[in-house]
Amino acid sequence: DAGVTQSPTHLIKTRGQQVTLRCSPISGHKSVSWYQQVLGQGPQFIFQYYEKEERGRGNFPDRFSARQFPNYSSELNVNALLLGDSALYLCASSWGTATTEAFFGQGTRLTVV
Amino acid sequence: DAKTTQPNSMESNEEEPVHLPCNHSTISGTDYIHWYRQLPSQGPEYVIHGLTSNVNNRMASLAIAEDRKSSTLILHRATLRDAAVYYCILAARVDNYGQNFVFGPGTRLSVLP
Repeated sequence: DAGVTQSPTHLIKTRGQQVTLRCSPISGHKSVSWYQQVLGQGPQFIFQYYEKEERGRGNFPDRFSARQFPNYSSELNVNALLLGDSALYLCASSWGTATTEAFFGQGTRLTVV
Repeated sequence: DAKTTQPNSMESNEEEPVHLPCNHSTISGTDYIHWYRQLPSQGPEYVIHGLTSNVNNRMASLAIAEDRKSSTLILHRATLRDAAVYYCILAARVDNYGQNFVFGPGTRLSVLP
């Protein structure tokens, strides 16, 4: 079975640009969450979507947005990129509750120059 | 957000048991205790989770204190492949479809041959 797939794997952008990251969850999972992991730190929660509705939002500026499509795949958009947005962006797929495990993708490494 | 406290790093010898501690003194009655690990250049990997009772699976055991203010992840025989950063997470049950993991810095486990 395919795991969580994220694309692209690596990306280099210039300050001020916009970026879109994509995630395909495990088949049957309706929840997708996004995390940002800065080098040397643990992942930080950005968003959770379940059945195309936003179920949770972390402490991130409005430059960060996301959506979930009818096939449960998801996109994370970041506008007006800053150098500090350079990080590994992780997508997690699950059944969506605190009682179940999450499955993480390999991440997208974003570098802002 | 509920917080956890873990040692920054630990060492173990190969084929010996490892006990990774986690303190979560502010845990609420409905918080689930999750453990994930992250190998270099990979997304986090689910290890185990539980609520009140001790849990066992093929990867590890989770021992939860009676007052739930601490827990211990037990790897019964450490292998070199177990070298990773281990995260103890409290998953708040916001509603039936909420999953928001708050990661701390984790414990970096080194396994010596």
